[in-house]
Amino acid sequence: DIVLTQSPALAVSLGQRATISCRASESVRSSMHWYQHKSGQQPKLLMYGASKLASGVPARFSGSGSGTDFTFTIDPVEADDIATYYCQQSRNGYTFGAGTKLVL
Amino acid sequence: QVNLLQSGAALVKPGASVRLSCKASGYTFTDYFLHWVKQSHGKSLEWIGYIHPDSDYTKYNENFKAKATLTVDKSTNTAFMDLNRLTSEDSAIYYCTTRRNYYGGYSLFDDWGQGVMVTVSS
Repeated sequence: DIVLTQSPALAVSLGQRATISCRASESVRSSMHWYQHKSGQQPKLLMYGASKLASGVPARFSGSGSGTDFTFTIDPVEADDIATYYCQQSRNGYTFGAGTKLVL
Repeated sequence: QVNLLQSGAALVKPGASVRLSCKASGYTFTDYFLHWVKQSHGKSLEWIGYIHPDSDYTKYNENFKAKATLTVDKSTNTAFMDLNRLTSEDSAIYYCTTRRNYYGGYSLFDDWGQGVMVTVSS
């Protein structure tokens, strides 16, 4: 199975940039997607194909990377962005990272 | 409006089985794969498997082949997941999810049910 490694938490300030990383145990090419998950809600797709915004997602969210190293950025961070963010690969099966919790 | 409505929370005893349901509306149920995802408390998301409602074709995560069985009822646009021989390790939130929109051929999840909590306890 492809393992995705994320940092468990990231402290941010409102109005600043937040950068979340996701490293794959083997190349997933561009088959990396990002979700936002708030407590008590279902996950929400934000980014697909490493760098493409899902419909309706604000442009302050962005993504980059290919192969094994990926980055997801929120700039600027707003209060509503406080959540846990998961990367997910679909190159070989479906696996998720452990999630990065954004904290103020 | 697309909606995946999942059954209510379940409290089940160790060793028992449980059936979870996911009723789809707002789209053609038989056109899209229906997946199930597990989130253990405080942990990440884990893909369980999928079923194609039109053909009943299923694919499972190896870790869930002996645990989960996926079925559908096309007459009611409902997907089911049976979990057997439950242990405390099966206590989790379970989501049904699907991908309806085109995302350049990528396999991902853009519509989710609200999730259902399963608690395994005596």
